[in-house]
Amino acid sequence: DTAVSQTPKYLVTQMGNDKSIKCEQNLGHDTMYWYKQDSKKFLKIMFSYNNKELIINETVPNRFSPKSPDKAHLNLHINSLELGDSAVYFCASSRRLGVEQFFGPGTRLTVL
Amino acid sequence: AQTVTQSQPEMSVQEAETVTLSCTYDTSENNYYLFWYKQPPSRQMILVIRQEAYKQQNATENRFSVNFQKAAKSFSLKISDSQLGDTAMYFCAFMKYNYGQNFVFGPGTRLSVLP
Repeated sequence: DTAVSQTPKYLVTQMGNDKSIKCEQNLGHDTMYWYKQDSKKFLKIMFSYNNKELIINETVPNRFSPKSPDKAHLNLHINSLELGDSAVYFCASSRRLGVEQFFGPGTRLTVL
Repeated sequence: AQTVTQSQPEMSVQEAETVTLSCTYDTSENNYYLFWYKQPPSRQMILVIRQEAYKQQNATENRFSVNFQKAAKSFSLKISDSQLGDTAMYFCAFMKYNYGQNFVFGPGTRLSVLP
């Protein structure tokens, strides 16, 4: 009965590879987000989708591409991984824009 | 742009004592939300408490309460009767009313509850 789930929880990969992180929410929320938390614990929003439409696209490299096949899923695909991409990536969802967000458990990405 | 500042990178408190975590923010908006999130070692982000800026009454959730000073742009979190399970990173967050793109987190305060 997990509300927001992410797979995988840990991802270790080589520089230059392409990888995806999946996120699913079973809360019936309309809005989903991706955040990056760096090694200093700083959380920064990357993307937000509302009803499958991209509404926030912060300044992130275009190697990062979100995909929302339906309202319950928001996947993050990363091309040509770099060392600086190592971080914890959190997916979150909210009933709509402007209300509190429910976070997934995070995916720790390590790029070697 | 909105900014959120948490001036205490680390704090510690004895079990059963009370501790206050500070948060200040900068905005020109009048309507907004403020949140405190907790991130224990498990990494899960957990909502602790939220406050709507138009409400004068301070929000409370069991042992957690806030001191919201809108004019001073201050939003501190008080934890009463601290428990070992309160050990975590605490993030203050600001959100412009109805606009998710202005969801901004502070840098966090690492709280350790000591037995």
